[in-house]
Amino acid sequence: GIQVEQSPPDLILQEGANSTLRCNFSDSVNNLQWFHQNPWGQLINLFYIPSGTKQNGRLSATTVATERYSLLYISSSQTTDSGVYFCAGNNRLAFGKGNQVVVIP
Amino acid sequence: DVKVTQSSRYLVKRTGEKVFLECVQDMDHENMFWYRQDPGLGLRLIYFSYDVKMKEKGDIPEGYSVSREKKERFSLILESASTNQTSMYLCASSLLTGVPYNEQFFGPGTRLTVL
Repeated sequence: GIQVEQSPPDLILQEGANSTLRCNFSDSVNNLQWFHQNPWGQLINLFYIPSGTKQNGRLSATTVATERYSLLYISSSQTTDSGVYFCAGNNRLAFGKGNQVVVIP
Repeated sequence: DVKVTQSSRYLVKRTGEKVFLECVQDMDHENMFWYRQDPGLGLRLIYFSYDVKMKEKGDIPEGYSVSREKKERFSLILESASTNQTSMYLCASSLLTGVPYNEQFFGPGTRLTVL
């Protein structure tokens, strides 16, 4: 099946900093989605982004389907951004192992 | 807003017990999914259902079965729980819009411990 690699696996940010998370797929991908899992385990759908760019507040995402990758941008990070970010894609939704993000005040 | 609820947040069972995990969604979604999440392994699909009484195996169906008698409810069954089934179980739902895995919405999760 399709392999999903996320980088970096762990990230520590100072509050207010910007960051980029990356998701690479081993094969062509559709239905690409980004999720945030908060410290209590709840997964929230951030973006459904099979291609192009979307923005939602301080978060934005870009998918380049032809090159099999997607990026999630976090700007002006806040402590509430802490948690694990997952990307997932393809018909049988394959998940990456996640980016663990910790934002310190 | 889509709401997906799971019957328990925490559950402790003994080896060999039959375990039922319930999931209910209130947005009339056709698709429902069960995943388990383990440290370092991400989320892995156990089973999914795209219609009432329909089910398909995911990547790790061994030791599990499912039931979907009503559109809004999808149950995961551990016939004889084992310690290696200790995990976080997540339910999700989505609309069926041509491609099955479209924009999934997750429940809060059930953390199951099998002793």
